Amino acid sequence: EAQVTQNPRYLITVTGKKLTVTCSQNMNHEYMSWYRQDPGLGLRQIYYSMNVEVTDKGDVPEGYKVSRKEKRNFPLILESPSPNQTSLYFCASSFAGSNTGELFFGEGSRLTVL
Amino acid sequence: AQSVAQPEDQVNVAEGNPLTVKCTYSVSGNPYLFWYVQYPNRGLQFLLKYITGDNLVKGSYGFEAEFNKSQTSFHLKKPSALVSDSALYFCAVRGLTGANNLFFGTGTRLTVIP
Repeated sequence: EAQVTQNPRYLITVTGKKLTVTCSQNMNHEYMSWYRQDPGLGLRQIYYSMNVEVTDKGDVPEGYKVSRKEKRNFPLILESPSPNQTSLYFCASSFAGSNTGELFFGEGSRLTVL
Repeated sequence: AQSVAQPEDQVNVAEGNPLTVKCTYSVSGNPYLFWYVQYPNRGLQFLLKYITGDNLVKGSYGFEAEFNKSQTSFHLKKPSALVSDSALYFCAVRGLTGANNLFFGTGTRLTVIP
């Protein structure tokens, strides 16, 4: 089954404790992206990657890092989480050459930073 | 800069009645517009897109959207609402930096009342 898998789905952590949210897709997509969803703000892009070893900032990259060492994986790293990073995070993927805008989303990872 | 606005946080409609979820856009160049739906505790799912061509676009689950250039709008519609259509709906526009970098609106929660 074609899917984007995120882990963990739920996480409660404390300020400053490094964490990684993993994202993996099995559709051989070149493009991958991370969004955060906050009430009243919709989805905002954090980082995106057009292919392996190619990453770029989205609208709200501060406090986050990403890497793209393999085509299928695009982990989101919070080196020193803060309470304002409490949010619902979504990973998405698509073929880079596609002009359809049809992104495939994971189920989301709800992060709480105390 | 590319942006979309969803003026209604909440839309309520009776089952069987037509529904409309509103979206207006602001873009440089030709607009590439999309609608996504988010069911509870799930990721976003692609519904439909407007790239070029007919102003009335048909998508999944009986939804359609009307592109109106003079009013810079892209409203989502369905002739007869189902209770199962209750969800969070997002309008999105393609960014300038890449084919699949989408800017999302703040979302509209649709509730279909039995």
